[in-house]
Amino acid sequence: KNQVEQSPQSLIILEGKNCTLQCNYTVSPFSNLRWYKQDTGRGPVSLTIMTFSENTKSNGRYTATLDADTKQSSLHITASQLSDSASYICVVSAGSGTYKYIFGTGTRLKVLA
Amino acid sequence: NAGVTQTPKFQVLKTGQSMTLQCAQDMNHNSMYWYRQDPGMGLRLIYYSASEGTTDKGEVPNGYNVSRLNKREFSLRLESAAPSQTSVYFCASSDDRNQPQHFGDGTRLSIL
Repeated sequence: KNQVEQSPQSLIILEGKNCTLQCNYTVSPFSNLRWYKQDTGRGPVSLTIMTFSENTKSNGRYTATLDADTKQSSLHITASQLSDSASYICVVSAGSGTYKYIFGTGTRLKVLA
Repeated sequence: NAGVTQTPKFQVLKTGQSMTLQCAQDMNHNSMYWYRQDPGMGLRLIYYSASEGTTDKGEVPNGYNVSRLNKREFSLRLESAAPSQTSVYFCASSDDRNQPQHFGDGTRLSIL
């Protein structure tokens, strides 16, 4: 069964600290892996998208890594800001010829001043 | 920079009523999607349109119909609303299936 599991479910950190969010997947065949940020009451916004051959991709203070062998990805947030408070969603696209996207349930991050 | 626009933002319906959720994108994207987001679950694909003139079922299509009116607009219709369709509905668009999706801000639908 295709699944995407994220951990932790929720996380609280102080402003300025770093954090890492995890994503494990059992999706086959694999096409690409995406990270989205979803603010409360808003739609998801794309942060990164990585194919099988890419093992790291950055977008400002956000850095995503992908280990296709172990089927794990992480999203590292550097020097967190209050505006980073949001849900972070990992999505795996199954197969390059399909429109099949498996969404994780997200990690809810709260950054405190 | 409108991106993806969804209307309405909120709606309350009674069981059995019908309604259409509207979605329009101004990025000239080929592909459009409808998702639902329920508490404790990941977004689930209801229907998608790979290109103008085509529509296909996603993971949870039962109880819904869609129309790709033109390249910009993709609507979702509930013919006879049921309480199980209470959810937040998101429309998204992308250049193709391998590109990032751009989401609207959702329609919050409650069915009593």
